[in-house]
Amino acid sequence: GQNIDQPTEMTATEGAIVQINCTYQTSGFNGLFWYQQHAGEAPTFLSYNVLDGLEEKGRFSSFLSRSKGYSYLLLKELQMKDSASYLCAVGDSNYQLIWGAGTKLIIKP
Amino acid sequence: ETGVTQTPRHLVMGMTNKKSLKCEQHLGHNAMYWYKQSAKKPLELMFVYSLEERVENNSVPSRFSPECPNSSHLFLHLHTLQPEDSALYLCASSQDLEGSSYNEQFFGPGTRLTVL
Repeated sequence: GQNIDQPTEMTATEGAIVQINCTYQTSGFNGLFWYQQHAGEAPTFLSYNVLDGLEEKGRFSSFLSRSKGYSYLLLKELQMKDSASYLCAVGDSNYQLIWGAGTKLIIKP
Repeated sequence: ETGVTQTPRHLVMGMTNKKSLKCEQHLGHNAMYWYKQSAKKPLELMFVYSLEERVENNSVPSRFSPECPNSSHLFLHLHTLQPEDSALYLCASSQDLEGSSYNEQFFGPGTRLTVL
């Protein structure tokens, strides 16, 4: 079967760094996406990885290891507005996105 | 504003009602999607349309009926729903179906559906 695993909830402090992990088992691989979803709002695109390595975009970075079926999203210099759910999704052999349940990130002052 | 709009934003209906959800994208995309999002569960892909043709139907009950009259509009017709169908229904669009950073999915704000 196809499966995406990520922690249900994480807590971090404003100004700190947090790493959200995602492991996946899918039929085929056509890239891994991270989305951010604030409560009551639509998911919005954060990053896309298709090759191994680190992609950096401002305070956010995303890492992929295809051999390990593993990715992480790294958030630096955390701000209160970063409190949200972070969704990991993998494109399968049919290019359909398989989604994780999301990680709710709580930022404390 | 993501360029994808959905109406209504909230809907309460009885199990015998018939209602429709509407999605419109203003991005010139070729692919559109319906997702169901329940609390603490992964997004469930329901239907995929590419160039107005349905390409995916993930074993969705027949009480959900999609319609895509053109590449900008997508409807989800609902009838005789069950309380367990209460969820957030999200519409999304992408340039094409193939996965890449240029085919990220843009989501609408969703319709919060409650079935009594």
